[in-house]
Amino acid sequence: QVTLRESGPALVKPTQTLTLTCTFSGFSLSTSGMCVSWIRQPPGKALEWLALIDWDDDKYYSTSLKTRLTISKDTSKNQVVLTMTNMDPVDTATYYCARIQGYSYGYDYWGQGTLVTVSS
Amino acid sequence: AIQMTQSPSSLSASVGDRVTITCRASQGIRNDLGWYQQKPGKAPKLLIYAASSLQSGVPSRFSGSGSGTDFTLTISSLQPEDFATYYCLQDYNYPQTFGQGTKVEIK
Repeated sequence: QVTLRESGPALVKPTQTLTLTCTFSGFSLSTSGMCVSWIRQPPGKALEWLALIDWDDDKYYSTSLKTRLTISKDTSKNQVVLTMTNMDPVDTATYYCARIQGYSYGYDYWGQGTLVTVSS
Repeated sequence: AIQMTQSPSSLSASVGDRVTITCRASQGIRNDLGWYQQKPGKAPKLLIYAASSLQSGVPSRFSGSGSGTDFTLTISSLQPEDFATYYCLQDYNYPQTFGQGTKVEIK
């Protein structure tokens, strides 16, 4: 079955770089149409789409966060990595990774999310 | 980026009520829209994709409609387990964008 799991630090200091890893199983990111995204949600607030990487290694980013984000994949390890530079307390959120199988099919599988707190 | 405006931001309803949530895109997005349900402390769950296609395993009381800029999620008969927050998401182009959410509460 398809599973995704986020991992990374629970606490980072302001100005530090956050690195999150999404480890998945049950599908291959080398399959045509397959994509993995990162999505976050500050406490009590709405969901915010951050970035997507597709089977062809094309990458797409949030306009407002583009300069701080990098998404990459390691197909052999079934992992997608998100780095976010210059972390700020407003980046405190639960970070999710999720799978989408091409345009308009929706995110059908999600990780459980990982809460990242930015504080000195 | 395409803006998704969801309304209402919250609503109170009773079990058995028909509930409608709308989402408006700032430009046409064909039918590239999904609806998600989120319960506290949980990851979102896909309900509807391609504006009107019911995700496998989702009860048929959920339905979606619309195309272009205006979309609707309807719950035909609200059940106790449906009290949650609902989000729309456009996946027409990048960056993808969510609506701000609609919290459905018990009246």
